[in-house]
Amino acid sequence: AAGVIQSPRHLIKEKRETATLKCYPIPRHDTVYWYQQGPGQDPQFLISFYEKMQSDKGSIPDRFSAQQFSDYHSELNMSSLELGDSALYFCASSLAGDNSPLHFGNGTRLTVT
Amino acid sequence: QKEVEQDPGPLSVPEGAIVSLNCTYSNSAFQYFMWYRQYSRKGPELLMYTYSSGNKEDGRFTAQVDKSSKYISLFIRDSQPSDSATYLCAIRTGGFKTIFGAGTRLFVKA
Repeated sequence: AAGVIQSPRHLIKEKRETATLKCYPIPRHDTVYWYQQGPGQDPQFLISFYEKMQSDKGSIPDRFSAQQFSDYHSELNMSSLELGDSALYFCASSLAGDNSPLHFGNGTRLTVT
Repeated sequence: QKEVEQDPGPLSVPEGAIVSLNCTYSNSAFQYFMWYRQYSRKGPELLMYTYSSGNKEDGRFTAQVDKSSKYISLFIRDSQPSDSATYLCAIRTGGFKTIFGAGTRLFVKA
């Protein structure tokens, strides 16, 4: 079965640079979520989109923005990168509704040097 | 108090043991409960999904929900070294939000 696809798998950036992470949800899933996971931490919710509109917002820094496109893929844009932004970034997708669990991609490992 | 509490472990068991992983939650309105398994450097993988009190079984895995106690459990029977991973409980809190426990690191020794 098709899963959530994220690209790139690994990304190395310098401080103050920008990064763009991409997510392709499971076919027919209309909701995407972005999570940040630091070493030894549980995933922290950043933002979600339903039908191309922002549906919920978590602890996403103002330096970050995201959007969902007409084909339901999503991009997370990160600017003015800081060392503390180094983490695993996961995208998840689901159908809308409380009874639909999240399915995760394998993440993008971002390293800021 | 966090909305979902989970003992981070680590939990070390011998191969073949029955493993019990647990979470407690604070809001009795929560209805949808999930367990994820996460291997190192991989995304969380959905193992079990339940929305009612009682047990749900899938192979060697059993998810249990006790809404009166606000307590959820995952049991792994005949544990294998390949079960060594971090196990995360997660709860859909309504709308588009899912919150996670801290994750329990499990080591199954051959």
